[in-house]
Amino acid sequence: DAGVIQSPRHEVTEMGQEVTLRCKPISGHDYLFWYRQTMMRGLELLIYFNNNVPIDDSGMPEDRFSAKMPNASFSTLKIQPSEPRDSAVYFCASSFSGGPFSYNEQFFGPGTRLTVL
Amino acid sequence: KQEVTQIPAALSVPEGENLVLNCSFTDSAIYNLQWFRQDPGKGLTSLLLIQSSQREQTSGRLNASLDKSSGRSTLYIAASQPGDSATYLCAVSGQGAQKLVFGQGTRLTINP
Repeated sequence: DAGVIQSPRHEVTEMGQEVTLRCKPISGHDYLFWYRQTMMRGLELLIYFNNNVPIDDSGMPEDRFSAKMPNASFSTLKIQPSEPRDSAVYFCASSFSGGPFSYNEQFFGPGTRLTVL
Repeated sequence: KQEVTQIPAALSVPEGENLVLNCSFTDSAIYNLQWFRQDPGKGLTSLLLIQSSQREQTSGRLNASLDKSSGRSTLYIAASQPGDSATYLCAVSGQGAQKLVFGQGTRLTINP
């Protein structure tokens, strides 16, 4: 398996522009997570999906952020309009809940480093 | 609200030493605990997952322990090597919840 795939790996944009980050989870996984990592705040969960349905978006910082999962193999995180304080590394992760004795180990993608000028 | 703390924030040791990284959490009602490794500019690699009913897990030179009642976990690395240099992150998930709460990590440097 190729693991969790994210694109682009690096994104540099100007304040006010729309940014779209993409993620392909591991095939067969039923949970997908979006995290953000900064030096100040560490790793924070933004939103997660189960079977393509958003379950908890309480970590999404504000209305400028939105996430979708149109099918089991693709998710996007969009920022519109972007601001310099959105600069961070954004990670996507996936896990498989399986049967009653699955332990939901999360597997992370390589991340997208976003710089907003 | 669950909080995870990792001490120390940074650690530098000579090659060959055995070492222990610490993780503590405030709410003992966890579902599992994961230890990750992060190399500079890279994603997170899962090292070990301990279920709430377990006390330890081993993988090669790594051993992770869990004491739920005291809210602590340790990651033991035996015979450290320069290739072990990385940031090690601890994360817990709560009962009935999938989301992980992360510590700030311990930046480990192994000197040849």
